[in-house]
Amino acid sequence: DMKVTQMPRYLIKRMGENVLLECGQDMSHETMYWYRQDPGLGLQLIYISYDVDSNSEGDIPKGYRVSRKKREHFSLILDSAKTNQTSVYFCASSFSGTGGYEQYFGPGTRLTVL
Amino acid sequence: QQKVQQSPESLIVPEGGMASLNCTFSDRNSQYFWWYRQHSGEGPKALMSIFSNGDKKEGRFTAHLNKASLHVSLHIKDSQPSDSALYFCAVSTLNQGKLIFGQGTKLSIKP
Repeated sequence: DMKVTQMPRYLIKRMGENVLLECGQDMSHETMYWYRQDPGLGLQLIYISYDVDSNSEGDIPKGYRVSRKKREHFSLILDSAKTNQTSVYFCASSFSGTGGYEQYFGPGTRLTVL
Repeated sequence: QQKVQQSPESLIVPEGGMASLNCTFSDRNSQYFWWYRQHSGEGPKALMSIFSNGDKKEGRFTAHLNKASLHVSLHIKDSQPSDSALYFCAVSTLNQGKLIFGQGTKLSIKP
């Protein structure tokens, strides 16, 4: 069963708190992604990971960091969360990092920073 | 930086009608073109890809690509209520594997 999971699904944090979003996939995909989705802006790439400990910044990496210690698991960390990081975050995975392969998305985490 | 623009922002189509969604991109080196669909409360899911100029048909869905015009479109025939969703166009170049997503078109099918 090809699946991307995300935990938690909903999260409320206060400004300045640390946030950990977790993502898993069961397809042994090399490449994993973190996006955020805001109304009218589509999906913006935060980080891309090409394999374990091989991470690259996306288009909006400021304020975020990532960790990938196992191929099937990819974490997004917000150190000292800000109110403008309130958003829906999606994790995705694909067989390869070239654009020719389908990306499989998780169900998303809705993060509210108060 | 690649720019991907979708039109219209929203579209209402009667059940059984044809929906047409448009997407323009800015980089002439673009190679891979995808349409993703997102139902409310879910993650996006790939609908179809098109990599060569011309038409590609999958069931009720037809994608059309014209690289010279920097334009890709999606046409949905015999629209169903389950087609109501947010549709994203996504584009990448050969050398830069990441996908750049458009802002989305909200499609509503009216029974």
